[in-house]
Amino acid sequence: DAKTTQPNSMESNEEEPVHLPCNHSTISGTDYIHWYRQLPSQGPEYVIHGLTSNVNNRMASLAIAEDRKSSTLILHRATLRDAAVYYCILRSIHGSGNTGKLIFGQGTTLQVKP
Amino acid sequence: EAQVTQNPRYLITVTGKKLTVTCSQNMNHEYMSWYRQDPGLGLRQIYYSMNVEVTDKGDVPEGYKVSRKEKRNFPLILESPSPNQTSLYFCASSSRTGGTEAFFGQGTRLTVV
Repeated sequence: DAKTTQPNSMESNEEEPVHLPCNHSTISGTDYIHWYRQLPSQGPEYVIHGLTSNVNNRMASLAIAEDRKSSTLILHRATLRDAAVYYCILRSIHGSGNTGKLIFGQGTTLQVKP
Repeated sequence: EAQVTQNPRYLITVTGKKLTVTCSQNMNHEYMSWYRQDPGLGLRQIYYSMNVEVTDKGDVPEGYKVSRKEKRNFPLILESPSPNQTSLYFCASSSRTGGTEAFFGQGTRLTVV
């Protein structure tokens, strides 16, 4: 399984943008890049995913490098409710095998200061 | 509303007393799985199911059983719980392919004394 590398922790000020990086140098052409976050005492929550192009949704934006070996999750205006552990995960496009498995690393703990 | 429902949310039990944690999803997903989360070890997959009557071991299956008799339900069974199974458990469901999101339950905090 391809692995991802994220910083252990990051800090941000409230209402400022946050850029959370992720390296995945061994990504294969059939891997989607997923981001999940886990708020305290809750289950992981889907944030966004992409394959090759940058993606936007109501929660965040995902910027994917041209060579796909890294990506950045962008929270445009951090709020106190965005304080969580953010996980960058690769997931195969194929429909066979244990493709639903999400391999969670340690993630990035985001602290948002008022 | 799309959701994964786990019950109970909290459970304290004694060593050796069989228990079942239920998980149900309303999205008609083929794929369901169980994870446990422990401090310093992150989330690790216990068992997964690709469809009805199709289950397989994840990374830490020892001491657990599962069944998938219906598409929507995927219970986790601890036949003889031990203290090292004290953990936070999450059920997840998704489609089988990588281009869709996974949904997680709210978690079950299990304490075995």
